[in-house]
Amino acid sequence: KAGVTQTPRYLIKTRGQQVTLSCSPISGHRSVSWYQQTPGQGLQFLFEYFSETQRNKGNFPGRFSGRQFSNSRSEMNVSTLELGDSALYLCASSPGSGEQPQHFGDGTRLSIL
Amino acid sequence: DAKTTQPTSMDCAEGRAANLPCNHSTISGNEYVYWYRQIHSQGPQYIIHGLKNNETNEMASLIITEDRKSSTLILPHATLRDTAVYYCIVQQTGANSKLTFGKGITLSVRP
Repeated sequence: KAGVTQTPRYLIKTRGQQVTLSCSPISGHRSVSWYQQTPGQGLQFLFEYFSETQRNKGNFPGRFSGRQFSNSRSEMNVSTLELGDSALYLCASSPGSGEQPQHFGDGTRLSIL
Repeated sequence: DAKTTQPTSMDCAEGRAANLPCNHSTISGNEYVYWYRQIHSQGPQYIIHGLKNNETNEMASLIITEDRKSSTLILPHATLRDTAVYYCIVQQTGANSKLTFGKGITLSVRP
């Protein structure tokens, strides 16, 4: 069974630009969650999508948004990029109900110049 | 904020058991204990989870105290590839399933 796939693996942008990251979940998983990891703040929850609807949201500004498609694939968008947005962005998928664990991809490393 | 506390780091010898402790004194009755690990430059890897009974899988064993206020992850025969940051997380299930990560414990396995 294929794991969670995130594209691209690496991305370099400049301040003020916007970026879209993609996540393909494990087949059959309906929930996709996004996390940001930085050396200073560690791993922080951004938001979760389940059946194309945002079900949970973390404490991030509105510049961070996402969506989920009918095939459960998800995209995350960050607008008006700031230097502090440099981070590893991780996607995790799960069935979305019960206690089944989330499974993570290897992330997209975003660098802002 | 994370609902768990873990030591900052520990080490063990290759081939020996690694026992990683975790305190979660405010755990609720409907919260599970999950363990993940993260090897440098990779995404977190799920290891094991449990509610109140001890659990074992091909990677590790999870021992949860009777009062559920603490747990121990056991890697029975640590290898150099087990060197990683290990996260203990308490989590509700279903619609409230967001993971709140703490700083984790850095396990160093020495030859």
